[in-house]
Amino acid sequence: NAGVTQTPKFQVLKTGQSMTLQCAQDMNHNSMYWYRQDPGMGLRLIYYSASEGTTDKGEVPNGYNVSRLNKREFSLRLESAAPSQTSVYFCASSLLAGTMFFGSGTQLSVL
Amino acid sequence: SQQGEEDPQALSIQEGENATMNCSYKTSINNLQWYRQNSGRGLVHPILIRSNEREKHSGRLRVTLDTSKKSSSLLITASRAADTASYFCATDRGGTGGFKTIFGAGTRLFVKA
Repeated sequence: NAGVTQTPKFQVLKTGQSMTLQCAQDMNHNSMYWYRQDPGMGLRLIYYSASEGTTDKGEVPNGYNVSRLNKREFSLRLESAAPSQTSVYFCASSLLAGTMFFGSGTQLSVL
Repeated sequence: SQQGEEDPQALSIQEGENATMNCSYKTSINNLQWYRQNSGRGLVHPILIRSNEREKHSGRLRVTLDTSKKSSSLLITASRAADTASYFCATDRGGTGGFKTIFGAGTRLFVKA
C-alpha cells in the first residue's frame, strides 16, 4: 500500500520550459489536491479535484493546469516555467472532507 | 488570503514542558485538521476535528475547537526533542464542486533536550 506517490522528487527547469508533475493514490480517495510550499511558509492550494472528472482552482492557480486522469491520478502541468514557481510541490488525497494524506513532495527549481 | 492563522509563529521550549499552539480562522468550517511536518517533508500525523466536536485526543496530543470563537488549539504534553517540527492547522470549508482545505503558515516548534 503505497499511499500517495509523487514523481519526480527533484527537478530543475530553465525559464520557459514545461513539465508535468505526476501524482497517484491507491486509497480509492475521491478528492485530490496540489499544493505548493515556499520556504518558511505554509501550503497554498493550487488546484483541487473533488471527484473524478472535476477540477477547481485554489488560491494560486495562475501558471498551472491540472488533469484528473482517473480516480487514482491527478497531474499538475507547468506550461512555461518561471522562477517564481520555484517551490516544493505536494500532492494530497482525501476521502471527501476527511483527513488528507500527502506525498513526499517534489522540489522544483526554475533557473 | 489564508484561512487559518497559527500563533505563535515559533515556539522554543525545554523537553518535558507542554507546548500550546493556536489557530484562528475567519469563516465557518466543516472540519479542522492539525498536521506535523518534519524539515520540508510531507505532512503527517493528522488529527481531524469536526465542527460539531469540541475536543480530540491522540496520545500526548490534544486538539480543541471553539467554533464560536473560530479558533482551535493543539496541546502537546510532556514534549520530547523528537516533537521538534512545524505544525499546521488546516480548515475545510467546502467550495464550488466539493471540498477544499486551506492551510495556515504554521508554528515552528523547537524542543530543547
